[in-house]
Amino acid sequence: SQKIEQNSEALNIQEGKTATLTCNYTNYSPAYLQWYRQDPGRGPVFLLLIRENEKEKRKERLKVTFDTTLKQSLFHITASQPADSATYLCAGGGGTDKLIFGTGTRLQVFP
Amino acid sequence: GAVVSQHPSWVICKSGTSVKIECRSLDFQATTMFWYRQFPKQSLMLMATSNEGSKATYEQGVEKDKFLINHASLTLSTLTVTSAHPEDSSFYICSASGDRDEQYFGPGTRLTVT
Repeated sequence: SQKIEQNSEALNIQEGKTATLTCNYTNYSPAYLQWYRQDPGRGPVFLLLIRENEKEKRKERLKVTFDTTLKQSLFHITASQPADSATYLCAGGGGTDKLIFGTGTRLQVFP
Repeated sequence: GAVVSQHPSWVICKSGTSVKIECRSLDFQATTMFWYRQFPKQSLMLMATSNEGSKATYEQGVEKDKFLINHASLTLSTLTVTSAHPEDSSFYICSASGDRDEQYFGPGTRLTVT
């Protein structure tokens, strides 16, 4: 079955460092990958979308890559801050197609 | 832009009653809306997909007669939990998609059935 996997359930890093989160997909080829931030008790907030023909996309301190050979997306937060602490979700799909979500990576940035 | 609202943000109801949750796209027209539920410390589980003016498509294992979805306009979809029971207590989230590839989520509705 189609699957999105975020292998790290939790990631702890020090403030100022770069956080790198991994998302792998199996048994299908999503045309898009989307990254969301979710805080406890809140709905996901859209961060970035990358298409399969795009290798990299940036937005402020965020960068996402899409490697169709490795079937993997990497999500980077540079100069991380305690306010970046949240759960980050990777999802395959977009437009009017349903999203397939990974289980999320809980990022904790400590001072 | 791309704001999705949900109402109510939380609701408590008695077992056996029905509850309606609204999802609105505030600044774009949503041709497709999606309904999810999420249990604590778990990822989002898609319940159904609805397109404006047509019947919703439910995921396997989701009872369509229990979770009624209406997508009457390009800016509003509703989810009605009928004859709610304590096991229906969950966090319900909608998302909307218009003429762009991104999907935008509402803030969620916490349902507690007593």
